[in-house]
Amino acid sequence: NAGVTQTPKFQVLKTGQSMTLQCAQDMNHNSMYWYRQDPGMGLRLIYYSASEGTTDKGEVPNGYNVSRLNKREFSLRLESAAPSQTSVYFCASSDGDSTYEQYFGPGTRLTVT
Amino acid sequence: QKEVEQDPGPLSVPEGAIVSLNCTYSNSAFQYFMWYRQYSRKGPELLMYTYSSGNKEDGRFTAQVDKSSKYISLFIRDSQPSDSATYLCAMALYSSASKIIFGSGTRLSIRP
Repeated sequence: NAGVTQTPKFQVLKTGQSMTLQCAQDMNHNSMYWYRQDPGMGLRLIYYSASEGTTDKGEVPNGYNVSRLNKREFSLRLESAAPSQTSVYFCASSDGDSTYEQYFGPGTRLTVT
Repeated sequence: QKEVEQDPGPLSVPEGAIVSLNCTYSNSAFQYFMWYRQYSRKGPELLMYTYSSGNKEDGRFTAQVDKSSKYISLFIRDSQPSDSATYLCAMALYSSASKIIFGSGTRLSIRP
């Protein structure tokens, strides 16, 4: 089992460029999440998907869109990247009945210049 | 005011010491209290969780929740260099809550 995988691992974008971060899990989990982690700010929830076919905004959704492609995959899109979106992005998944136990991917380090 | 406050450290202790990590929170409705461990350049992993008040022990790790004071702690006994990591506290309202609120993390270093 690979757990939660994320691609790419690193990315440098110029302001205004777009990109999609990919996430997949092989644990048959219902819920998936996208977080960003910034120094001193902890993990902040961007979007989550409680189950296939549903998505909801988290704490910091502005500038992002998501797609729950199927039960395994949850992608995060930056339509027009800004320097404020420089961060480390983590995808996570959990079983619907115990969402306190989240399994995280290795992260994507994104720099926007 | 943040919902969850955590001292960012860094905290440096000698090998074998007892480590105490703490968080305070403002929402008295939280029922699930978690500690995640994050090694450098890795994703967080769940270390322990506690439901409501009380203590929970797992090997060298003990989690304590004091809901009356809105204060949670993680104790590490006989600390090892391999415990060097960032420790994030986290809280949720329900077991199936869609949102977890994370603290900002405490960076811990165990000196051999």
